[in-house]
Amino acid sequence: QQQVKQSPQSLIVQKGGISIINCAYENTAFDYFPWYQQFPGKGPALLIAIRPDVSEKKEGRFTISFNKSAKQFSLHIMDSQPGDSATYFCAGEIQGAQKLVFGQGTRLTINP
Amino acid sequence: DSGVTQTPKHLITATGQRVTLRCSPRSGDLSVYWYQQSLDQGLQFLIQYYNGEERAKGNILERFSAQQFPDLHSELNLSSLELGDSALYFCASRQWGYGYTFGSGTRLTVV
Repeated sequence: QQQVKQSPQSLIVQKGGISIINCAYENTAFDYFPWYQQFPGKGPALLIAIRPDVSEKKEGRFTISFNKSAKQFSLHIMDSQPGDSATYFCAGEIQGAQKLVFGQGTRLTINP
Repeated sequence: DSGVTQTPKHLITATGQRVTLRCSPRSGDLSVYWYQQSLDQGLQFLIQYYNGEERAKGNILERFSAQQFPDLHSELNLSSLELGDSALYFCASRQWGYGYTFGSGTRLTVV
């Protein structure tokens, strides 16, 4: 019940296209859903996050769409650029639990 | 630079040995979190300390232990190392109400 399932495992998108990564969760106690971006040799860096009381959050080219009834959320990267090539992780956190439960990650490659 | 400092960056050691990984949180952050990243298990929460006290525990093996010192730096001790302990170990810190900030990690290789 603690799991966060992420898909796809890998994704190749042409420059300028839209990258979409999906996550699903079981635990309805999760109340914070961040997305992290990780480059090789670096730690995960917070990209964007959402709480379940909103259905969408946009920051620049990055948008989280959240569907509470389906227990799903997704990351959309508009106008994808080669510099976006990285591994992306979704996660969930239970309020007060002070720990993130991560998805398995998606390796995104943006072809120039 | 995220502000979370981890040392060493790389560590190679033999099975059965013991190692210590070190983390300094961002200035002003009282919490330290340890995560393990491996190919088969992904990113897994190990343990959290807040101002010197253990606050949350995850999938941390009994062979592993951690502590947080008065200057807020933390150490993760891994003993009786096995090949399967080879992984990236990340430390993170957090300001209340904000997201986690991760360090660049320590890559542990057990041979």
